[in-house]
Amino acid sequence: DAKTTQPPSMDCAEGRAANLPCNHSTISGNEYVYWYRQIHSQGPQYIIHGLKNNETNEMASLIITEDRKSSTLILPHATLRDTAVYYCIVRVGNQFYFGTGTSLTVIP
Amino acid sequence: EPEVTQTPSHQVTQMGQEVILRCVPISNHLYFYWYRQILGQKVEFLVSFYNNEISEKSEIFDDQFSVERPDGSNFTLKIRSTKLEDSAMYFCASSREGTAGNTIYFGEGSWLTVV
Repeated sequence: DAKTTQPPSMDCAEGRAANLPCNHSTISGNEYVYWYRQIHSQGPQYIIHGLKNNETNEMASLIITEDRKSSTLILPHATLRDTAVYYCIVRVGNQFYFGTGTSLTVIP
Repeated sequence: EPEVTQTPSHQVTQMGQEVILRCVPISNHLYFYWYRQILGQKVEFLVSFYNNEISEKSEIFDDQFSVERPDGSNFTLKIRSTKLEDSAMYFCASSREGTAGNTIYFGEGSWLTVV
């Protein structure tokens, strides 16, 4: 079962930062947090992942709390094309357990 | 950018028929996976494959499912005798290594409809 909890839906104004929270209070010390998104029924698209430190790439930033029990994905300037379901996943071994994710709607 | 490719994109089959879904993982990747997503439901893990062997499988992956790497590039999922409840989007994925910090990349999926 998914080890994460996310709000079911969020809205964000175009051009603003989208901050998507995720709780993973039972995460173990060597388990990574991954973020993927799925647009319609396309394949999950990798966004970013991290273990302890905050991470940034060309798509997003990942902020992980010091106790690692929660994290936030930040899309710095949301566009309409960022409308998707965003999954926060704690990787257990070689499997991903997907939850129901957060449906992000970017509003013009 | 390298990507995982899957064929067919959509297949309709009659109940009881065999289906083979094909995938070409990213070329230097060694770990391969199949996931599925029934319409409106979560993405579910089916199986992982490394060094020509299944390394992990879920309860969904029963005897009617099998995987194979028939040559150096393809990775296939076979469903022996399809059932209505096998209708789903099937995603192939691959990663360079099997360690937790190694990213898994997904293909665009094969939509299977069993009638």
